[in-house]
Amino acid sequence: KAGVTQTPRYLIKTRGQQVTLSCSPISGHRSVSWYQQTPGQGLQFLFEYFSETQRNKGNFPGRFSGRQFSNSRSEMNVSTLELGDSALYLCASSLAGGLYEQYFGPGTRLTVT
Amino acid sequence: KNEVEQSPQNLTAQEGEFITINCSYSVGISALHWLQQHPGGGIVSLFMLSSGKKKHGRLIATINIQEKHSSLHITASHPRDSAVNICAVPTPGGRGGGNKLTFGTGTQLKVEL
Repeated sequence: KAGVTQTPRYLIKTRGQQVTLSCSPISGHRSVSWYQQTPGQGLQFLFEYFSETQRNKGNFPGRFSGRQFSNSRSEMNVSTLELGDSALYLCASSLAGGLYEQYFGPGTRLTVT
Repeated sequence: KNEVEQSPQNLTAQEGEFITINCSYSVGISALHWLQQHPGGGIVSLFMLSSGKKKHGRLIATINIQEKHSSLHITASHPRDSAVNICAVPTPGGRGGGNKLTFGTGTQLKVEL
């Protein structure tokens, strides 16, 4: 079966702009989680969506938001981009959350200039 | 003190050596993930375990829930095993239920010929 896909794979934006990233989970998976990975902070949890509802949220400012659609596809949005938002953004899908095997997408590499 | 700690942070081994990576955690519920990230960013799930031991090819993972400790072993290591190995623990989420992953800092493994 098809894996987790993320689009776009690479993105360059300017400070102050906003960006929307997309994640398509494995068919049948209802949970999608988003993570930010930077060299200094490692992998950090952003939020998790389950059946179109945000179930958990990490310690990120309100500029980071997301949503999940009825087909389980998820988007995350970052508004008013800052240089520190430059990172690899990964999504992972699973049947129902952290107690299930996680399937990661290839990530979106965001560079903010 | 980090909630999920891995050791060592860096490990260089010679081809054929037996490798052990350790993960200790102070949070979370009764399960743990071992993940592997290769250059380029993609993350794959190696194991999810909640008790005892699991084996897949040359990889073995063990967990002691009472002591909150897990180990990842690689037998007959090969240069293609060079990657970052990351442990992650599901921790209870907020009012929305479910759980999120809290990550260790990763172990950079390099296997030389």
